Amino acid sequence: DIVMTQSPDSLAVSLGERATINCKASQSVLFTSNSRNHLAWYQQKPGQPPRLLIYWASTRESGVPDRFSGSGSGTDFTLTISSLQAEDVAVYYCQQYYRTPPTFGQGTRLEI
Amino acid sequence: EVQLVESGGGLVQPGRSLRLSCAASGFNFDDNAMHWVRQVPGKGLEWVSGISWNSGSIDYVDSVKGRFTISRDNAKNSLFLQMNSLRPEDTALYYCASSEEFRRYSSGYYMTKFHSWGRGTLVTVSS
Repeated sequence: DIVMTQSPDSLAVSLGERATINCKASQSVLFTSNSRNHLAWYQQKPGQPPRLLIYWASTRESGVPDRFSGSGSGTDFTLTISSLQAEDVAVYYCQQYYRTPPTFGQGTRLEI
Repeated sequence: EVQLVESGGGLVQPGRSLRLSCAASGFNFDDNAMHWVRQVPGKGLEWVSGISWNSGSIDYVDSVKGRFTISRDNAKNSLFLQMNSLRPEDTALYYCASSEEFRRYSSGYYMTKFHSWGRGTLVTVSS
């Protein structure tokens, strides 16, 4: 199985400041046939299901604020929140959907 | 509006069975692959099983192979998970989720992101 490792496990950022979460895959998730990284980011708030934020490593889902961005390729990826808002407090997960079983990182808890 | 509503969870003794359902609305169910993902409260996410739009491609995480069976009824916009020989470690909140594709090819399975999720149904396996 592909192991997804996020860092840090938790993060406290001031309102308006930048938050950066890293995700490392144990093997490349770049699918050569379509030249796409099969990597997604999800946000989960307490008592809610996960919400898709980013897919193909850097494509923002419809309705997601543009302060959220994704970058990276191969095995190393980053989720960046450019200016933290109070409503961004949540746990963030990366996921590879390159190979079954699709696997998630352990989550990063983001606090103010 | 996309809606996925899970049901069928509950308290069950080890070794017994449970059948989960997921009712879909607000999108073309039969154009989408579907998945079950579980989460122990307070812990991370674990994919359990996926099924293609036409049930032609199905896969499971190793820990449930031979015990769980995923199925779907496109006429009723419904997804199911039959869970047999339940173990305490199957205790979790079970979500259904949709994706555009999940299909087997020569080297494995081609998948896309999980774009919609239900709110989950809680399964507790305990004597």
